[in-house]
Amino acid sequence: AQSVTQLDSQVPVFEEAPVELRCNYSSSVSVYLFWYVQYPNQGLQLLLKYLSGSTLVKGINGFEAEFNKSQTSFHLRKPSVHISDTAEYFCAVMELTGGGNKLTFGTGTQLKVEL
Amino acid sequence: NAGVMQNPRHLVRRRGQEARLRCSPMKGHSHVYWYRQLPEEGLKFMVYLQKENIIDESGMPKERFSAEFPKEGPSILRIQQVVRGDSAAYFCASSPEGPQFFGPGTRLTVL
Repeated sequence: AQSVTQLDSQVPVFEEAPVELRCNYSSSVSVYLFWYVQYPNQGLQLLLKYLSGSTLVKGINGFEAEFNKSQTSFHLRKPSVHISDTAEYFCAVMELTGGGNKLTFGTGTQLKVEL
Repeated sequence: NAGVMQNPRHLVRRRGQEARLRCSPMKGHSHVYWYRQLPEEGLKFMVYLQKENIIDESGMPKERFSAEFPKEGPSILRIQQVVRGDSAAYFCASSPEGPQFFGPGTRLTVL
């Protein structure tokens, strides 16, 4: 069974500074990878996804992530954060087993952007 | 194209009552997923449905929980005889294939 690890539960960062949110996964089969953002009391919004092809994927709001198969990682980055990026970020994997497309989520990283 | 819709957004029940959570997928999406988010935790998969079929219910508690996605109408997640431990946010997601699009969630509080 697959699992997702987000090592950092909270990441404080100053506005306009770069940020990296870490995500590692384990799976015995091929996977799709996703990052979602959750603002307070709202649902999850898809930031970006890796399905195949280029390992560097760009998403909305200036975020990008790089798939590293050898390190089984999919870290999320943004070169310059804004106050409005304060939210919870979830990494998720989908195993390509043909038996359904359920997502397995990490426990989330709370990004807090400060002035 | 409206997004995934869930209602109610907030639901309060007393212990022993039934909770019914509704999810209308995005237009054209035939796959529906339910997830539960306990306080300060990530989302946990509960069940995956297609029209009139339960495809994967490996994340559903064995008792009191059931889900359906009828030919017409929304998908329903039903929790019978709720207990305090059922208090959580319940999210529905839909997809045609691949990425899933999430609704705003139903926050269930059991008193």
